[in-house]
Amino acid sequence: GDSVTQMEGPVTLSEEAFLTINCTYTATGYPSLFWYVQYPGEGLQLLLKATKADDKGSNKGFEATYRKETTSFHLEKGSVQVSDSAVYFCALSESGNTPLVFGKGTRLSVIA
Amino acid sequence: NAGVTQTPKFQVLKTGQSMTLQCAQDMNHEYMSWYRQDPGMGLRLIHYSVGAGITDQGEVPNGYNVSRSTTEDFPLRLLSAAPSQTSVYFCASGTSDTQYFGPGTRLTVL
Repeated sequence: GDSVTQMEGPVTLSEEAFLTINCTYTATGYPSLFWYVQYPGEGLQLLLKATKADDKGSNKGFEATYRKETTSFHLEKGSVQVSDSAVYFCALSESGNTPLVFGKGTRLSVIA
Repeated sequence: NAGVTQTPKFQVLKTGQSMTLQCAQDMNHEYMSWYRQDPGMGLRLIHYSVGAGITDQGEVPNGYNVSRSTTEDFPLRLLSAAPSQTSVYFCASGTSDTQYFGPGTRLTVL
């Protein structure tokens, strides 16, 4: 079945550091790829998405590029802030109205 | 729009008790789902629905029942609570490429 693997956390960075969270996937078809973010005590929010190969999703300074050749969707941000501290989930969906498959999440802590 | 709402926010049950976690959405989405979140396990799909009258099992359906009589509501029933069902439960609704999550219900089973 489909699966998502993301780097283990927790990740601790200083403010203004560069962030990369690795995500790779296994899928039978051509899935859409997502990054969700969960702030403390809240539900998940969609951060960005990409629906086909070579698409780049971006939002709030975060970026991720759909790489079909390496089956990857790594999340990057050039300069993190304390307010970016959260748990980040990589996910995929094979097609419309099919369930999301999530990675286990990566906790990011940014210290001032 | 209220989005996706879940009640209650917190619940403590004793082993063997039953209860229903409520989920409602006002975005007219056909697709709704329930997940549980446990430390180190990420989110695991319990049940999902692609429209009123249609439900299907996810990865971890045992011990849970669902029904979808309206587009708006998708309740999750615990038939006989067990300590292994202690978790945070999230409901979601959405379209083919965007899911909206509720704030969650934190359930403790003693």
